[in-house]
Amino acid sequence: SQKIEQNSEALNIQEGKTATLTCNYTNYSPAYLQWYRQDPGRGPVFLLLIRENEKEKRKERLKVTFDTTLKQSLFHITASQPADSATYLCAPQNYGGSQGNLIFGKGTKLSVKP
Amino acid sequence: DAGVIQSPRHEVTEMGQEVTLRCKPISGHNSLFWYRQTMMRGLELLIYFNNNVPIDDSGMPEDRFSAKMPNASFSTLKIQPSEPRDSAVYFCASSFGGSPGELFFGEGSRLTVL
Repeated sequence: SQKIEQNSEALNIQEGKTATLTCNYTNYSPAYLQWYRQDPGRGPVFLLLIRENEKEKRKERLKVTFDTTLKQSLFHITASQPADSATYLCAPQNYGGSQGNLIFGKGTKLSVKP
Repeated sequence: DAGVIQSPRHEVTEMGQEVTLRCKPISGHNSLFWYRQTMMRGLELLIYFNNNVPIDDSGMPEDRFSAKMPNASFSTLKIQPSEPRDSAVYFCASSFGGSPGELFFGEGSRLTVL
């Protein structure tokens, strides 16, 4: 069965450092991979989508990589700030599937300390 | 746009009672999703609709759960009878167009079944 693993339940880093979150998947051949941010008591909010033919994608302080050989995506936040503290969810998406194939990992909770 | 609107935000009920959760998607979006989130299982896809038609309900846990989308601007998720293990946060999300596409989530309905 399809499986998504995100690194550790929580990641604690110091303000200004780069946070790196990992998303590994098995029994998937995703054509896309999405990343979302979720704050406590709120719904997830879309951040980035990367396609299988894109090795890297950037948006402001965010960078996402997608390695289909390793079956892994890395999500980086550079110059992290306390406001970046949240849970980050990855969602691999199969090619040709409808958006109904958007299955989420359990997420990694990031805490950025001042 | 007001975003995806869910009601109620909080619901506390007793085992055996019927629960109805409501969702108004973003105007113009043609896909609607119901997810359930718990600490143990993360964010699980229950069912999704495309153009008001249920496409995949394989995530619906059992016959006690049912979902309808009578028109493009309204959907309901009903649990009858409710059980304590149904306690979770239920999210509705909508999107526009085909795959891929970002999901826009509502703020969720927190259900507690005593």
